Amino acid sequence: DAGVIQSPRHEVTEMGQEVTLRCKPISGHNSLFWYRQTMMRGLELLIYFNNNVPIDDSGMPEDRFSAKMPNASFSTLKIQPSEPRDSAVYFCASTPTAAKNIQYFGAGTRLSVL
Amino acid sequence: DAKTTQPPSMDCAEGRAANLPCNHSTISGNEYVYWYRQIHSQGPQYIIHGLKNNETNEMASLIITEDRKSSTLILPHATLRDTAVYYCIVRMHGSSNTGKLIFGQGTTLQVKP
Repeated sequence: DAGVIQSPRHEVTEMGQEVTLRCKPISGHNSLFWYRQTMMRGLELLIYFNNNVPIDDSGMPEDRFSAKMPNASFSTLKIQPSEPRDSAVYFCASTPTAAKNIQYFGAGTRLSVL
Repeated sequence: DAKTTQPPSMDCAEGRAANLPCNHSTISGNEYVYWYRQIHSQGPQYIIHGLKNNETNEMASLIITEDRKSSTLILPHATLRDTAVYYCIVRMHGSSNTGKLIFGQGTTLQVKP
């Protein structure tokens, strides 16, 4: 398996623009997680899905952030409008249902909002 | 979730064993100890986990004290590629668990030639 695939690897955009990050989980994994990592706040969970259903989005910073999982093999994290403080590395992770703490992370998307 | 405490940084000579400590004095009976690491510019990587017995896999060994209040991750023969931030996380195990991992600041391990 190719592992968790995230795209793009790098994104540079201007303040106010819409940004969409994409994630393809490992085939057969039932749970998917979106994390954000910054120097100030470290690695923090934004939202997670179980069987394509959002379970806990308490980590989503504000209404400008939204996430979807239309099917078991694809998820998006959207920021609209983007702000400079959204600059961070965004990671996606997936896991089989029975071992939720053993998560497999993608390589991340480095977002820079100018 | 039980809180964990790790030293912010450690050095290790290449080829020697790296012993990374973690304190989790408030751990409860059904909580496991998990270790992840994050190599620069990569996503976190699962290493090993355990409940109360010592565990070993191809990457590392995990030693948990008898009272379970602390543990040590051992990389038996550290290489330069083991330079990374190592995270110790305590969580319940199983399908009823949400999988909501909380990553602290971790220990930055620098392996030196």
